[in-house]
Amino acid sequence: DAMVIQNPRYQVTQFGKPVTLSCSQTLNHNVMYWYQQKSSQAPKLLFHYYDKDFNNEADTPDNFQSRRPNTSFCFLDIRSPGLGDAAMYLCATSRDPPSASGLTDTQYFGPGTRLTVL
Amino acid sequence: GQQVMQIPQYQHVQEGEDFTTYCNSSTTLSNIQWYKQRPGGHPVFLIQLVKSGEVKKQKRLTFQFGEAKKNSSLHITATQTTDVGTYFCAGAGANSKLTFGKGITLSVRP
Repeated sequence: DAMVIQNPRYQVTQFGKPVTLSCSQTLNHNVMYWYQQKSSQAPKLLFHYYDKDFNNEADTPDNFQSRRPNTSFCFLDIRSPGLGDAAMYLCATSRDPPSASGLTDTQYFGPGTRLTVL
Repeated sequence: GQQVMQIPQYQHVQEGEDFTTYCNSSTTLSNIQWYKQRPGGHPVFLIQLVKSGEVKKQKRLTFQFGEAKKNSSLHITATQTTDVGTYFCAGAGANSKLTFGKGITLSVRP
């Protein structure tokens, strides 16, 4: 089945130790998103890739970086995790990017990676 | 910036009761989407509404987009225990980028 896969499902890291979260998709979608979701809060968009075009949200800290080496894979790098970065990180994909057409393509979410910072 | 509000964050109902929740935007939306996140799961797309006053139904779920395209509602008829989870609305502004509300977590007493 076509899907969005995130590895690992649970990640524990130490304060300040770089960590990389992985997302892959078999949907062949053009757009991949990274969201941060803290307990009882809405998913917050960090950035998205439309093909190889990187789009950062204005309030995303510099501590968060992303790489998309090919259509199928996208990585979230947290350079120096702080205690406040502990959260669920959700990867999502859509066929088309946000546009001015009035329609927003459906986003398909992966199961998420729960990050704990010690 | 654009804000999407869902109040309250939690609601408890008796199985068989109807349930309605609302989503309000600070700005006019181009469209609105609803997602459901089961406990321990990830958001799953339910529906998208685009037209002013639009109403869509999915079995026992009825979704409505307000006339001014600034609010939306989700109504569940005769709730079942399988309806438990968090329901997020996500509004898209002029650039079609989604802003998620905080969600409402529904619990159903059998």
